[in-house]
Amino acid sequence: QMQLQESGPGLVKPSETLSLACAVSGASLINSTYYWGWVRQPPGKGLEWIANIYYRGNTFYNPSLKSRVTISVDTSKRRLSLTLSAVTAADTAVYFCASSLRMGDDFWSGYDYWGQGILVTVSS
Amino acid sequence: IVLTQSPDILSLSPGERATVSCRASQSVSDRNLAWYQHKPGQAPRLLIYGASNRATGIPDRFSGSGSGIEFTLTISSLEPEDFALYYCQQYGRLPYTFGQGTKVEIK
Repeated sequence: QMQLQESGPGLVKPSETLSLACAVSGASLINSTYYWGWVRQPPGKGLEWIANIYYRGNTFYNPSLKSRVTISVDTSKRRLSLTLSAVTAADTAVYFCASSLRMGDDFWSGYDYWGQGILVTVSS
Repeated sequence: IVLTQSPDILSLSPGERATVSCRASQSVSDRNLAWYQHKPGQAPRLLIYGASNRATGIPDRFSGSGSGIEFTLTISSLEPEDFALYYCQQYGRLPYTFGQGTKVEIK
């Protein structure tokens, strides 16, 4: 059974860089049957897709955040990471890491496993 | 691709049928449309992928249908634990997008 668990600071100052980690157990980060992603939910708002990374290292970003965000994997630490630079109050949100399973040729499951989420508040 | 869900709020009683619609601003491959259930303080839960495939462990009272720009999530008979927020998501074209959410509340 795959498990994902986010970690990181709960409070970040404006203009600083937010760094989050997601510990993955029960699956390999370099397994071609998965891709990995980050999604966030600002308080009182809906879900927003941030980024994905595939087993070969291909990355895809939401254009609204692309200049500020980086997704990466550390296979030795079995960890998915997210960095978001120059944060503002608008980046205050619950951040989720999630995985998607390959169901067939060019057929994926959507995000079938999620972490519990971590609330990050941007405030001085 | 903008996904617009309707209604925003659905007030129903246990045992009733719930129907949530998701309309896309452009055609979405039915291989890349998912539905999630989300409760406060919890992780979203995948219900349906590929527009009509139930995810592992999802009860058969949940079903998905649709193609092109119109998709539907149906809960055939609401159980107490089904009162929650529901989101559709397209993951076929970048950037992946979610609908704004539909709250299914107890009447």
